[in-house]
Amino acid sequence: QVQLQESGPGLVKPAQTLSLTCSVSGASISSGDYYWSWIRQTPGKGLEWIGYIDHSGSNYYNPSLKSRVTIAVDTTKNQFSLRLITVTAADTAVYFCARTGGYSTRWQPTKYYFDYWGQGALVTVSS
Amino acid sequence: DIQMTQSPDSLSASVGDRVTITCRASQSIGDFLNWYQQKPGKAPKLLIYAASILQSGVPSRFSASGSGTDFTLTITSLQPEDFAIYYCQQSFSAVALTFGGGTKVEIE
Repeated sequence: QVQLQESGPGLVKPAQTLSLTCSVSGASISSGDYYWSWIRQTPGKGLEWIGYIDHSGSNYYNPSLKSRVTIAVDTTKNQFSLRLITVTAADTAVYFCARTGGYSTRWQPTKYYFDYWGQGALVTVSS
Repeated sequence: DIQMTQSPDSLSASVGDRVTITCRASQSIGDFLNWYQQKPGKAPKLLIYAASILQSGVPSRFSASGSGTDFTLTITSLQPEDFAIYYCQQSFSAVALTFGGGTKVEIE
């Protein structure tokens, strides 16, 4: 059974860096069959996709966060991580990691979806 | 970004009711549309992908349809465990994935 688990500090000071790790079990990131995503949720903005990465380290970021986000992968530990710099109170959210699957048919681009999620980690930005 | 608008924001229904939730995209997205269910304190759960394909293990009372800009999620014979928030999500723009604002299904 595929399981994902977020870990990291629950409190980050303004202007500092938010760092989270997602540990994956029941699936191998190095298989190359999936992307691995970070998504956050706030009462105000709802669900917001942050970005995803594949086993080789190829990543794609939400344009609105791209200047502040880094997602990295460690296939030896079967983990991937999120780094968000220069945080403000607006970055206070529940952060989820998720496996990103795709459905494709001949001649069609892949349709991506999030099929397994971590339980979520609340990160509060406050001094 | 492609904006996803859900309606209604919330609805009240009773066990056994048929419920329909609508999601509209700000531009045509073909069938690049997924639906999720979220219960309090939990992560969203994938229900439907590619607009109409039921995820493995999801009860058949859930169905969805649509293409282009207009999509619907239908729950036939609402069950107690179905009271939750439902989200749509587009993947047409694969490097700018976006979600709808959610529809809360409450007990009447």
